[in-house]
Amino acid sequence: SAVISQKPSRDICQRGTSLTIQCQVDSQVTMMFWYRQQPGQSLTLIATANQGSEATYESGFVIDKFPISRPNLTFSTLTVSNMSPEDSSIYLCSVGSSGTQYFGPGTRLTVL
Amino acid sequence: TQLLEQSPQFLSIQEGENLTVYCNSSSVFSSLQWYRQEPGEGPVLLVTVVTGGEVKKLKRLTFQFGDARKDSSLHITAAQPGDTGLYLCAGDWAGNNRKLIWGLGTSLAVNP
Repeated sequence: SAVISQKPSRDICQRGTSLTIQCQVDSQVTMMFWYRQQPGQSLTLIATANQGSEATYESGFVIDKFPISRPNLTFSTLTVSNMSPEDSSIYLCSVGSSGTQYFGPGTRLTVL
Repeated sequence: TQLLEQSPQFLSIQEGENLTVYCNSSSVFSSLQWYRQEPGEGPVLLVTVVTGGEVKKLKRLTFQFGDARKDSSLHITAAQPGDTGLYLCAGDWAGNNRKLIWGLGTSLAVNP
């Protein structure tokens, strides 16, 4: 299994600002994913971070709002841009295949 | 339309009781995974079931994959407070470009 770390673990941000979340994996991986989760609820896939090309976004998520970088096979960032209170959530990165995924501890974001 | 129906959504039981969580779908999955998530942490993979009719045991947890690979169950025997958490099922469905389909989750509280 992969060991995944995320920074920051939590943050409180003002409306209109942006936050960049970092995801670091202890080994090289092909697929990295970014999810959003309301506390106690299920996961919603935001996008798949592809190394060397643009991320692939799910319906309802756009690059201008959630730009993603994937500079190498062990690291990715997700930026939440021009935040509003509706963006308050837990953001999780994960790695693996469709058969098995491993998750980071998450970033709990509160937007005031 | 929720492709993977998970039930119950909430469950509060006393220590020592048994419980079963269900994930049902009209779609066939290549595999199905069960995760447990504790507050402040990312989901942790418990098991992956692949073969129709497969039964896997993990201590007091028993996982079953339906014969037609459309449904799965998680049974916990003699639940303990340490079993408290959010249980999530996720299916690998070829029709979704091999991305995971997530159930809505079961929030389990085991009271001492």
